[in-house]
Amino acid sequence: GIQVEQSPPDLILQEGANSTLRCNFSDSVNNLQWFHQNPWGQLINLFYIPSGTKQNGRLSATTVATERYSLLYISSSQTTDSGVYFCAVASNFGNEKLTFGTGTRLTIIP
Amino acid sequence: DSGVTQTPKHLITATGQRVTLRCSPRSGDLSVYWYQQSLDQGLQFLIQYYNGEERAKGNILERFSAQQFPDLHSELNLSSLELGDSALYFCASSVSADTQYFGPGTRLTVL
Repeated sequence: GIQVEQSPPDLILQEGANSTLRCNFSDSVNNLQWFHQNPWGQLINLFYIPSGTKQNGRLSATTVATERYSLLYISSSQTTDSGVYFCAVASNFGNEKLTFGTGTRLTIIP
Repeated sequence: DSGVTQTPKHLITATGQRVTLRCSPRSGDLSVYWYQQSLDQGLQFLIQYYNGEERAKGNILERFSAQQFPDLHSELNLSSLELGDSALYFCASSVSADTQYFGPGTRLTVL
């Protein structure tokens, strides 16, 4: 099946800093989503982005499908950005199931 | 709020028991997906239903089963529970093969 790798596994930043999270995947995809899992365990949709670039406030994402990677940018970090960020993909050659990466744990220090 | 509801939020039970987790998808969404999040396996796809029919199966144990009812809500049944079944179980829904919206999850603890 499709493989999803996220880096870095852990990131500790001061409030106000910017960060870039990376997601590499091993096959063509027809779905790529970024999620934020908050400390209460809830999975919050950030972006549906199988290709191209999107922005939502301080967050933006870019997927280069031909090179099989996606980047999530967080600018001017706030403590509420802390949590685990997951990338999940669905392969072009499979069904609609999402395969998740192992996540990046982001800790924002005040 | 994603619009997907799951009940109960927490469930504590003993080994060997059977439990039922319930999911109501967003209004209009025909697809329901179940995922399991455990410390050792991460987030894994279990099963998908589309308009009442099973569409895809993932790493779902034989002790687990699911169904989707005519009103499109879904239930995940877990039986002969083992300690290793303790996990966060998520339901997600989508209207088509794009954005999946996740519910708040049911945290299952097997003692």
